Amino acid sequence: KAGVTQTPRYLIKTRGQQVTLSCSPISGHRSVSWYQQTPGQGLQFLFEYFSETQRNKGNFPGRFSGRQFSNSRSEMNVSTLELGDSALYLCASSPAGPNYGYTFGSGTRLTVV
Amino acid sequence: AQSVTQLGSHVSVSEGALVLLRCNYSSSVPPYLFWYVQYPNQGLQLLLKYTSAATLVKGINGFEAEFKKSETSFHLTKPSAHMSDAAEYFCAVSDRRSGNTPLVFGKGTRLSVIA
Repeated sequence: KAGVTQTPRYLIKTRGQQVTLSCSPISGHRSVSWYQQTPGQGLQFLFEYFSETQRNKGNFPGRFSGRQFSNSRSEMNVSTLELGDSALYLCASSPAGPNYGYTFGSGTRLTVV
Repeated sequence: AQSVTQLGSHVSVSEGALVLLRCNYSSSVPPYLFWYVQYPNQGLQLLLKYTSAATLVKGINGFEAEFKKSETSFHLTKPSAHMSDAAEYFCAVSDRRSGNTPLVFGKGTRLSVIA
């Protein structure tokens, strides 16, 4: 069966711009989580959506937002990009929640210049 | 709050040697524990998970991990390293008291395998 699909794989944006990343979870998975990965901070939790509702939120500024659609696909948006937002953004899906274990996508590499 | 500590940011072993990657958790209640592997320019792949059914957990690619409550540890081992095992490995924890708690990841251990 198809895995978790993230698009695009690579992005280059300018400071101040906004960006939208997309994630299609495994069919039947209702939980989608987003993580930011950087060399300095490691993997940091952004938010989790379950059945179109944000169930958990990490400690990120309001510039980071997300949503989930009725087909479980999810998007995250970062507004007013800063240089420090450069990172690998990973989407992970799970049947019902983190305790089931995640299946990760390959990530979107965002570079802010 | 749940946390995990991975001892050693970089481990180097010879091909055919034992692989031992260390993970200690911090929790008053034994949590769910996971090991993930990440190859360059890819996402994370689940190696194995502990949910309390058995303390010795076998995973993919010949890896296994043993849950030791007395030591609050969940170390990952493989009897014989292969070149293809070179990657970054992450230990993660989740609070079993709530099914919705996000996974908290350790900082990762980069495994190098020397021919």
